[in-house]
Amino acid sequence: GQNIDQPTEMTATEGAIVQINCTYQTSGFNGLFWYQQHAGEAPTFLSYNVLDGLEEKGRFSSFLSRSKGYSYLLLKELQMKDSASYLCAVRDYLGRGSTLGRLYFGRGTQLTVWP
Amino acid sequence: ETGVTQSPTHLIKTRGQQVTLRCSSQSGHNTVSWYQQALGQGPQFIFQYYREEENGRGNFPPRFSGLQFPNYSSELNVNALELDDSALYLCASTAGTGSYNSPLHFGNGTRLTVT
Repeated sequence: GQNIDQPTEMTATEGAIVQINCTYQTSGFNGLFWYQQHAGEAPTFLSYNVLDGLEEKGRFSSFLSRSKGYSYLLLKELQMKDSASYLCAVRDYLGRGSTLGRLYFGRGTQLTVWP
Repeated sequence: ETGVTQSPTHLIKTRGQQVTLRCSSQSGHNTVSWYQQALGQGPQFIFQYYREEENGRGNFPPRFSGLQFPNYSSELNVNALELDDSALYLCASTAGTGSYNSPLHFGNGTRLTVT
């Protein structure tokens, strides 16, 4: 089966750094994604890791350890607009015709940034 | 480059009715997947279409069906609607085989309410 686990809620203050952890147990692995979702809106893509290590994109960084089934999303210099749900998703293979697979999502971590 | 567009934005149906949701994939993307996101949950994979054929399906009953057209747009059909079908339905598209690290880009979703 597939199990994606992440904290339900986190809070932080403006300008701070926050780390959102994600652990996973899946039968196949073809990459790990992080999405941001504001209330009432669709998820927007933040980052992607397929190899171990850190990927940095501006204020956001994501880390992956495949041997530990672990990832984190690091948000620096927090802003009020970063208040949102952050979704961790693992992709597996679907086989014939496409390398793209399906995403298994965690329930999301609701981040609240206070002034 | 146009993004993924979904229609309608909102829909209210009664139990037992049928519904069709539509998705236009991003230009150049030949793979479309559909996800269901219930309130407070992460999205769940319904199925994926690649070059007009279903090539993967999640744990959804047969009353959830789909189509992909030659222009790669797609439909999700749900028959015999149940109250638990109330959710945000997300369509995502990406390039097909060979784009190993292509992320999924979601449309804005269709909010379905079943009463």
